Amino acid sequence: AQKVTQTQTSISVVEKTTVTMDCVYETRDSSYFLFWYKQTASGEIVFLIRQDSYKKENATVGHYSLNFQKPKSSIGLIITATQIEDSAVYFCAMSPDTNAYKVIFGKGTHLHVLP
Amino acid sequence: GGIITQTPKFLIGQEGQKLTLKCQQNFNHDTMYWYRQDSGKGLRLIYYSITENDLQKGDLSEGYDASREKKSSFSLTVTSAQKNEMAVFLCASSIVQSNTEVFFGKGTRLTVV
Repeated sequence: AQKVTQTQTSISVVEKTTVTMDCVYETRDSSYFLFWYKQTASGEIVFLIRQDSYKKENATVGHYSLNFQKPKSSIGLIITATQIEDSAVYFCAMSPDTNAYKVIFGKGTHLHVLP
Repeated sequence: GGIITQTPKFLIGQEGQKLTLKCQQNFNHDTMYWYRQDSGKGLRLIYYSITENDLQKGDLSEGYDASREKKSSFSLTVTSAQKNEMAVFLCASSIVQSNTEVFFGKGTRLTVV
């Protein structure tokens, strides 16, 4: 069975620091894609960053980067120099290559960035 | 760029009522999705559609029907609203590739009284 697990329900950090949000996944597919999305207080969900399972190098976009540890089925999201506006719920998601349409989401981690 | 428009934004229904949620996208995406979001439970897939007139059940399809009569629109029907049910229904779309991101609408918040 395919599954995405985010064990941290809520994290609080002081602004300008670095935070890591954890995500582990289960799949039998040899090829798959991992995503992180952000849901703001208004409810809007936007795509942040993606990691392809066959790529060894960690993806980076702006102040978001990933810590991909394939042997551990882990894909952590790292946010450096956090800002107040980074406060949101972050969802980890997986799309197996054999069924591209079935995007599976974790339950989300609520990040609070404090002044 | 494009946009996904969901109507209505808020929906209040009575127990046992049949309720329809609508979604329109102008990305020209082939694939569209309906997700349900309950507090603390993440996003659960109800139905998805690979192309016009196609329907595929997700993990949470029981109690729902869907319709994809046009490429740009995808509607979801709650066949019999459950009392005290509260959730946000999110419509989404993507192109037909597994490595591409999903774009979301702003959601319809359902309350059943």
